[in-house]
Amino acid sequence: QITLTQQAESLWVSPGEKVSITCRASQSLLYTDGKHYLSWYQQRPGQTTKALIYHASIRTDGVPTRFIGSGSGTEFTLSIEDVQPEDIALYYCLQTLKKPLTFGSGTKLEIK
Amino acid sequence: VQLVESGGGLVQPGKSLKLSCSASGFTFSSYGMHWIRQAPGKGLDWVAYISSSSGTVYADAVKGRFTISRDNAKNTLYLQLNSLKSEDTAIYYCARVGASFDYWGQGVMVTVSS
Repeated sequence: QITLTQQAESLWVSPGEKVSITCRASQSLLYTDGKHYLSWYQQRPGQTTKALIYHASIRTDGVPTRFIGSGSGTEFTLSIEDVQPEDIALYYCLQTLKKPLTFGSGTKLEIK
Repeated sequence: VQLVESGGGLVQPGKSLKLSCSASGFTFSSYGMHWIRQAPGKGLDWVAYISSSSGTVYADAVKGRFTISRDNAKNTLYLQLNSLKSEDTAIYYCARVGASFDYWGQGVMVTVSS
């Protein structure tokens, strides 16, 4: 199975700063259609899990433009520019290239 | 779009439970659906998938014990959990398949304990 590694368990950031969350896959997530099957999700207490990014870099409808997905092959990044207090959450990456589908272990974003 | 899970609770090891996910706000029959779970204080784990044509795939940890199904007339997704183990204790979420897992329910807690 494909393993996704999110090295950072926690990241501390001040409001207004930029933060990057990385996700490394044990094999390339590039399919023959030219798309990377990597997506990002936000989990906030008391709220439903929210899809942020799919195909590595495409923002889901309604997601603020400060959320930016990038990367290719096996290395992916979710960047949040101008962090807001409401961005404090757990963030997970997910690969949907091959079953079993697998999630990264999650990165908790905390406010300094 | 709204997904609402139900049917969770406390159950003894070896027993069974059936979870439901009621869908509204979209054409349920046109979408594949997933179940995902999250053990207390842990990360997300994919459990099972059912396509719009009712093809199914399972994680190895639940294969042979869990069954995913759907009733398009009732706009409802199901997960039958049999031979439950303590390690199945988790919040169970349903999610719709779009370009990603584009909508999630709020989750339902399943606790397996004697």
